[in-house]
Amino acid sequence: DIQMTQSPSSLSASVGDRVSITCRASQGISNFLAWYQQKPGKVPKLLIFVASTLQSGVPSRFSGSGSGTDFTLTIDSLQPEDVATYYCQKYNSAPFTFGPGTRVDIK
Amino acid sequence: EVQLVESGGGLVQPGGSLRLSCAASGFTFSTYAMNWVRQAPGKGLEWVSTISFNGGATDYADSVKGRFTISRDNSKSTLYLQVNSLRAEDTAVYHCARRGCTGGACYLDSWGQGALVTVSS
Repeated sequence: DIQMTQSPSSLSASVGDRVSITCRASQGISNFLAWYQQKPGKVPKLLIFVASTLQSGVPSRFSGSGSGTDFTLTIDSLQPEDVATYYCQKYNSAPFTFGPGTRVDIK
Repeated sequence: EVQLVESGGGLVQPGGSLRLSCAASGFTFSTYAMNWVRQAPGKGLEWVSTISFNGGATDYADSVKGRFTISRDNSKSTLYLQVNSLRAEDTAVYHCARRGCTGGACYLDSWGQGALVTVSS
């Protein structure tokens, strides 16, 4: 099975900073990757699908890139409401594995 | 508005069974594939199972294969997860999630609040 990794596991940044999270698949998955945001105590929310397509209603400061095995989620100007754990998920074929998550805090 | 409401969670002894349900509303349930995703306390998301729009195809994570069974009743707009031979490591909040697709790429675009399953003696 394809394994998903994320780095870093956590990060702390200042409001207004540009933040990047990396997701890596152990084998190529084309662009069949989604990103989710889970705020503390809340249900996960879809941010990005097909590696780079922003879900409706998601602020434009979020963006995704990558293809094959390496993917990046970028937050252009970190806001206090972005404090959350971010997960990637492969969706080319089952099992639809999630990455371990990256926790983002405000410094 | 899409709504997914899970029920059926609870405290169960190791080796026990439960049936989780997910009542869907606000969309045409019979045209969407559905998934179960779980989250152990303080841990990350773990994909558990998926079922096609008509129930004809299912798949499972290795960790639950042979013990869990996903099913659906499109006439009732309800998704189910039968969980058997429960272990302590199955303790988690179980979310149902709708699968949306764009072209050939899919994603989980709506999630329920979840049902807590606690496995303990």
